[in-house]
Amino acid sequence: EAQVTQNPRYLITVTGKKLTVTCSQNMNHEYMSWYRQDPGLGLRQIYYSMNVEVTDKGDVPEGYKVSRKEKRNFPLILESPSPNQTSLYFCASSLWGEDTQYFGPGTRLTVL
Amino acid sequence: AQTVTQSQPEMSVQEAETVTLSCTYDTSENNYYLFWYKQPPSRQMILVIRQEAYKQQNATENRFSVNFQKAAKSFSLKISDSQLGDTAMYFCAFLGFKAAGNKLTFGGGTRVLVKP
Repeated sequence: EAQVTQNPRYLITVTGKKLTVTCSQNMNHEYMSWYRQDPGLGLRQIYYSMNVEVTDKGDVPEGYKVSRKEKRNFPLILESPSPNQTSLYFCASSLWGEDTQYFGPGTRLTVL
Repeated sequence: AQTVTQSQPEMSVQEAETVTLSCTYDTSENNYYLFWYKQPPSRQMILVIRQEAYKQQNATENRFSVNFQKAAKSFSLKISDSQLGDTAMYFCAFLGFKAAGNKLTFGGGTRVLVKP
């Protein structure tokens, strides 16, 4: 089954404790992105990747890191999480030149 | 930069009736895509309908249809014969042909409650 998976689905952590949210897709997509969803603001792009070893900032990259060492995986790293990073996070992927994007199930992150 | 605005934070509708969600956007591009996504309580993002800006015909998917007015930069969603399962948050989204990273620009969302 074609899908985007994220782990964990829920995470409660404390300020400053490094964490990683994993994202994996099995569709051989070139594009992968991370979005955060906040009330009233919709989803905003954090980082994106156009292929292995090619990443760039989206609209709200501060406080986040990403890497793309394999085509299927695109982890989101919070080196020192802060309460303002409490949010719902989505990973998405798509084929080069295609408009349809496939979203993961979301990760609810709470930073205390 | 593109912006997408959904002016209705919440709407309610009786089961079997029709509800229309509004969306306006701002862009200088001539070619782009527009989408409506549904987010039920499960939080999954589900694509409801897509519209290609270079097509004048309004997209339709079963009970869901859009009214695309390119000159007015308006893209409303009509849900006909509303069902309880339509209760969800709905997001309007824009994708420009020149979008770096295939970035979707989302509106703030409209919460729809279908009442029995």
